[in-house]
Amino acid sequence: AQSVTQLDSQVPVFEEAPVELRCNYSSSVSVYLFWYVQYPNQGLQLLLKYLSGSTLVKGINGFEAEFNKSQTSFHLRKPSVHISDTAEYFCAVRPYNQGGKLIFGQGTELSVKP
Amino acid sequence: DAGVIQSPRHEVTEMGQEVTLRCKPISGHDYLFWYRQTMMRGLELLIYFNNNVPIDDSGMPEDRFSAKMPNASFSTLKIQPSEPRDSAVYFCASRSTGELFFGEGSRLTVL
Repeated sequence: AQSVTQLDSQVPVFEEAPVELRCNYSSSVSVYLFWYVQYPNQGLQLLLKYLSGSTLVKGINGFEAEFNKSQTSFHLRKPSVHISDTAEYFCAVRPYNQGGKLIFGQGTELSVKP
Repeated sequence: DAGVIQSPRHEVTEMGQEVTLRCKPISGHDYLFWYRQTMMRGLELLIYFNNNVPIDDSGMPEDRFSAKMPNASFSTLKIQPSEPRDSAVYFCASRSTGELFFGEGSRLTVL
């Protein structure tokens, strides 16, 4: 079985400050890794994904994430946040051998203040 | 493409009533997923289909829930009878080989 743990339920930060949203996962098989963002009253949108290759992945809106296999982590970072980054962020894994099944963490609410 | 289309966007009903949520996936996508989102439990996968065939329904809460995909362009999630604890946002999502695309969700309130 797989599980995803997002270590912070809420992250308040000031505009233009750096931010890191933490994600750890547990799986007995290899997985693909994803970060999604959800703005209020909307569905989820893909920010970035790690399938293979370089462990540093760049996504949309200036976000990036680093896959660390030994620590089973996939933390999301942005060097300077904007008010418009205020949203809920979800880390997710998809096992190689289980078709399309995507398993989500509980989410981290990022609140950017002026 | 219009994206994944869900209806209704909002539904308020009384306990015991039947609820049907609808989803139109993106054309050409062969996987379709139903998720439920609540404050307490986060995002839960209820069921997913591949080429219109249910692959994993282990997340369906109980017999009151059923899902169908009669063709590649339409799926339904039915709750009968509904209960207050079913109140949630229900998301449909679809994909082919790439990323998962989500609809905007159906917010269900059962009184």
